[in-house]
Amino acid sequence: EDKVVQSPLSLVVHEGDTVTLNCSYEVTNFRSLLWYKQEKKAPTFLFMLTSSGIEKKSGRLSSILDKKELFSILNITATQTGDSAIYLCAGFAGGTSYGKLTFGQGTILTVHP
Amino acid sequence: NAGVTQTPKFRILKIGQSMTLQCTQDMNHNYMYWYRQDPGMGLKLIYYSVGAGITDKGEVPNGYNVSRSTTEDFPLRLELAAPSQTSVYFCASGDRGSYGYTFGSGTRLTVV
Repeated sequence: EDKVVQSPLSLVVHEGDTVTLNCSYEVTNFRSLLWYKQEKKAPTFLFMLTSSGIEKKSGRLSSILDKKELFSILNITATQTGDSAIYLCAGFAGGTSYGKLTFGQGTILTVHP
Repeated sequence: NAGVTQTPKFRILKIGQSMTLQCTQDMNHNYMYWYRQDPGMGLKLIYYSVGAGITDKGEVPNGYNVSRSTTEDFPLRLELAAPSQTSVYFCASGDRGSYGYTFGSGTRLTVV
């Protein structure tokens, strides 16, 4: 069964801190790793990673994938209170489970002023 | 462009009742998904579909059924509702090569 595990489960920091969120995966015929941010309602897309070692950046957020170690990290620099949210990662499967998208349990990030 | 539309937004069911959660997308996506999210938790996959006429079970399919007769629609049926099905349900859609997967706004279901 496909499995995606995130750590830590929750994190409390102050504005200006840098955080690293972790995501490990065991996904059938893995194709890609996705990161989402969820505030009050539906998750919103951040990144999709398919190749090892290539960093994706968007402002203060960046993410990288290690396909050998089955691992991805999401970095947020100079955190702001608006970064407070649940961060979710998901693995997209190939092979006989092609199309299956399995999420981890999420990391709850709280940024204090 | 409406994206992914879920109805209803809220519903209270009595134990043993049945209902259908509707999900429609207008982006011509092949892949559609149903997830449930319990408080403070991640998303658990109930069912998914990679195209019209094709559906597959996810991690937690028991107590649910789906159908995919058209590309646009992917309804989720709850038969014999139980308190354990109290949750927020999200529908999502995407396609190979698309940049991420789009979520609907969710349905908050309470079974009493």
